[in-house]
Amino acid sequence: DTAVSQTPKYLVTQMGNDKSIKCEQNLGHDTMYWYKQDSKKFLKIMFSYNNKELIINETVPNRFSPKSPDKAHLNLHINSLELGDSAVYFCASSSGTGTYEQYFGPGTRLTVT
Amino acid sequence: SQELEQSPQSLIVQEGKNLTINCTSSKTLYGLYWYKQKYGEGLIFLMMLQKGGEEKSHEKITAKLDEKKQQSSLHITASQPSHAGIYLCGADITYGNKLVFGAGTILRVKS
Repeated sequence: DTAVSQTPKYLVTQMGNDKSIKCEQNLGHDTMYWYKQDSKKFLKIMFSYNNKELIINETVPNRFSPKSPDKAHLNLHINSLELGDSAVYFCASSSGTGTYEQYFGPGTRLTVT
Repeated sequence: SQELEQSPQSLIVQEGKNLTINCTSSKTLYGLYWYKQKYGEGLIFLMMLQKGGEEKSHEKITAKLDEKKQQSSLHITASQPSHAGIYLCGADITYGNKLVFGAGTILRVKS
């Protein structure tokens, strides 16, 4: 069983489009995250949810909107896609908001043309 | 992240050789994480260190945390081609599990 899964794995789209990435974890974790890894491999946190509530919201454009329908799911919707949004987006989960191990999904490679 | 410096940026070693990767934080460490990433894939959790002086091992990989220096080292003994990949250190510097990551170390193992 895959612990943290993401769909789709690859996403190619044009500028201006709206797209969503889905994430699901079957670890029973309370906290989920979205990270962005740019072309230089820098991995930066974007959002974190704990029990469906937003707890971390880094400096991310308003075009990015996370949604957590339940503890096991955290989706990322992106409006009006721009070239600079091209990156690999990783979902992760952990047991809580303290210092816990974070388990990552396989990533979604988004390419905006 | 400038808060975490990893060195070296890349490393090529002959199979069977030992190697060390370092990760230094400019801020207090509440937790230090090591991950491995293969090209085009997700991050594989290796180890988490919390206490000063703590040392953990996973197969031939050992990580240590020096709390005073705010530094961690990852040591691979008798490297194998399967060790090749990108090693990332992540740190909890706010005690809120908001991890910041280093730029990564690309490891290649020549057989």
